[in-house]
This record gives sequence, structure tokens and C-alpha cells, in this order.
Amino acid sequence: AQSVTQLGSHVSVSEGALVLLRCNYSSSVPPYLFWYVQYPNQGLQLLLKYTSAATLVKGINGFEAEFKKSETSFHLTKPSAHMSDAAEYFCAVSERDSSYKLIFGSGTRLLVRP
Amino acid sequence: DSGVTQTPKHLITATGQRVTLRCSPRSGDLSVYWYQQSLDQGLQFLIQYYNGEERAKGNILERFSAQQFPDLHSELNLSSLELGDSALYFCASSWGQGDGNTIYFGEGSWLTVV
Repeated sequence: AQSVTQLGSHVSVSEGALVLLRCNYSSSVPPYLFWYVQYPNQGLQLLLKYTSAATLVKGINGFEAEFKKSETSFHLTKPSAHMSDAAEYFCAVSERDSSYKLIFGSGTRLLVRP
Repeated sequence: DSGVTQTPKHLITATGQRVTLRCSPRSGDLSVYWYQQSLDQGLQFLIQYYNGEERAKGNILERFSAQQFPDLHSELNLSSLELGDSALYFCASSWGQGDGNTIYFGEGSWLTVV
């Protein structure tokens, strides 16, 4: 079964600094990978997804992620953090069975310091 | 706005009671997923329906049940409620059966059991 591990339950960066949120996956087949963001008291919003096309995936709000098969990683980055990026971020892998349901990591809360 | 509508947004009920959460998927989406988000368990997949049929079952308790109706809306029924059932319940939808399709999430239904 597929799974994802997010390293760091909390990440704190200064405004304008690089954001790096780590995600490693486990999958016996080529994975579909996703990053979702959850702002306080809101639902989950898709940031970006990887479905075996380009390994560097660009998403909304300036975020991007790179699929690295050799490292089984799909880390999320943003060159310059903004205060509005403060939220919880979830990495997910799509189960490659008849359901394609998402299996989520435990989430990383991003704090942006002024 | 993801296009997935969940009602009610907030619900407070007593232990032992039964509640029904309702979900309207995005127009044209055939798959509906239910997830539970709690502090200790994170985001847990409960169940998926595709075009009215159950497609996958996850960590759903026997006290919980769901169905998808011919008009594709879905309901999650929670009975004999316990304090530990307090959580945020998400509905999500996608066009097909998955396979890399984006899964869109509603804003959730907050359930508090007292």
C-alpha cells in the first residue's frame, strides 16, 4: 500500500525566506502525488499534483514541487514566503487501486515570521 | 470555492445520538469521498462511492454508514455517537474514478459530540 511521510510537523520561516516542506512517499507502482493546503477553518485546496508528466510541477501561489524517484521524494518549495502562506500543508499519494483514494501525510504547519 | 457543498457546517450533538452529514459534489463529478480529520488521527479516508456504488472502504466504523443517491449527492450517517467522534468531516469529489483526476474538497462539517 502507498504511504507518505512528512518530515517536520511545524516549520517556521521568515517572510521572504525560502519555504521547503518535505514529503517522502512509499509506493510499489509509479505514484500520483499531491500537495494540498488548509487555511484555518477552511477545507483542503489543491496546490499542485504530479501524474507522471514533468518531474517539476508548478502550482498555485508560487509553489512548486519536484518528483525525485531515486529519493522517493516530492518536496514542496516556494522561493519567498509571504505572510499569507501560513497554513497547514498536506502531502498525499493516490492509491493505485480501483478507488484512487488519497492517502495523506500527517501535515506540516507553516509559520511565517514578519 | 471548490464547488463541493457540505451541510451542516457545524453540528453539536449529545453522545448516543445520530446525525446525517450531507454532500453535494461538483457538477458532473461521479466520485464522492468521505474523510475524517481529527487531531490524533489526522486525515483518514472513510469511504468512496462512484456513480451510486460503493467503491472503497477505509477506516469507517460500523456505527457509520454512507450512501450516494441517484442525483449523486451523498450522505454520511453517524450513529451511537461517542465523544471521540468529534472531528471535521470532509466530503470530496472527482470526475472519474481517480487515476490522477483532481479530487476537490468541501469546507467540511464540524461535528462536536458532548
